[in-house]
Amino acid sequence: DAGVTQTPRHEVAEKGQTIILKCEPVSGHNDLFWYRQTKIQGLELLSYFRSKSLMEDGGAFKDRFKAEMLNSSFSTLKIQPTEPKDSAVYLCASSLDRGTYEQYFGPGTRLTVL
Amino acid sequence: QQQVRQSPQSLTVWEGETAILNCSYENSAFDYFPWYQQFPGEGPALLIAIRSVSDKKEDGRFTIFFNKREKKLSLHITDSQPGDSATYFCAASHGGSAKLIFGEGTKLTVSS
Repeated sequence: DAGVTQTPRHEVAEKGQTIILKCEPVSGHNDLFWYRQTKIQGLELLSYFRSKSLMEDGGAFKDRFKAEMLNSSFSTLKIQPTEPKDSAVYLCASSLDRGTYEQYFGPGTRLTVL
Repeated sequence: QQQVRQSPQSLTVWEGETAILNCSYENSAFDYFPWYQQFPGEGPALLIAIRSVSDKKEDGRFTIFFNKREKKLSLHITDSQPGDSATYFCAASHGGSAKLIFGEGTKLTVSS
């Protein structure tokens, strides 16, 4: 079975640009999470979907970050406009709603904003 | 406010030694505690997990010790190997929630 796929693996953007990161969860999983990972803040939850419905939209990230789940097998994270402080690794994870809640993570997208 | 805390931030042990990674939490409603292992350039992967009804969980060389009264847990890695060098995250959730709260991570280096 394919794991979580994230594209692109690396992204370089100029300040003020709009970027879209993509995620394909494990087939059959109905929970999907977007995280931001930095050395200072660690893993921060950006958004959480259950069966395509948005369950949580990380408060501090609401204004420029928008995650969508267009169908059960595809999600996007849009950052608009980007700022240098957005430079981080963005991780997508999925899990089955079956009690164990093991989250399967993708390899991440490393974003650099100049 | 950090609800899950880990120490130390980094740890170096010799091959064959036991590495001990610590975790503490604030919310007494937390009842599920997974540990994730992350190698450079990869996403975290579940290593081992424990529920609050247990005080110990073993899986090969990895053991979680859990103290509910003190709201503390630790991950022991016995016979540490260079391949265990990674960052380890303690996480917590409660009430059947799928949402995990992660600690800051401990970077483990095993020297040969």
